[in-house]
Amino acid sequence: DAGITQSPRHKVTETGTPVTLRCHQTENHRYMYWYRQDPGHGLRLIHYSYGVKDTDKGEVSDGYSVSRSKTEDFLLTLESATSSQTSVYFCAISGGRTDTQYFGPGTRLTVL
Amino acid sequence: AQTVTQSQPEMSVQEAETVTLSCTYDTSESDYYLFWYKQPPSRQMILVIRQEAYKQQNATENRFSVNFQKAAKSFSLKISDSQLGDAAMYFCAYRSELSSSNYQLIWGAGTKLIIKP
Repeated sequence: DAGITQSPRHKVTETGTPVTLRCHQTENHRYMYWYRQDPGHGLRLIHYSYGVKDTDKGEVSDGYSVSRSKTEDFLLTLESATSSQTSVYFCAISGGRTDTQYFGPGTRLTVL
Repeated sequence: AQTVTQSQPEMSVQEAETVTLSCTYDTSESDYYLFWYKQPPSRQMILVIRQEAYKQQNATENRFSVNFQKAAKSFSLKISDSQLGDAAMYFCAYRSELSSSNYQLIWGAGTKLIIKP
């Protein structure tokens, strides 16, 4: 299994509060991604990174920001959480020969 | 834009039998990759199998195989000798290029597979 961890695994917060989710990898892969998963949908891309300090927006980036100061860490921040951001968040990494994406265990976020 | 459609929200199969999950996609690209991922109740997203479009031979991984019909844009997953541990959500995904050497996955809505003992 790819070495990917996410923290926290579960979080409950209130509307308007800032939230930061962390993704940590031990594979030294170049590319990292944040997706969200909602009922009736597959995963949708929020932001991605193609190197340290290099990030870009995905399909559903409104209300989210990211940072990557080290190869191994990719942070997702909700500046002011809203109920519509209640979801399960997955981090993924890719790199190496196959470019296949491997996923972390997910974080369940509930915004009340 | 690429889209992925899984038309079966739920499927059930008797243990030890064979089941096929359907996936269709839309793209104008000629070279691409397709994937099946499994998501058990643990929520972990696990790669099951991948298919490269330029390869005519269907991919296989033990009890899992695909039927890739490029002209029809169809990519079904066949699970042989179904086991209780196969019960999960199965997602079909298409690899779409973001930039050179960087890709995102476009996902179907998933099919819930139930295994009857």
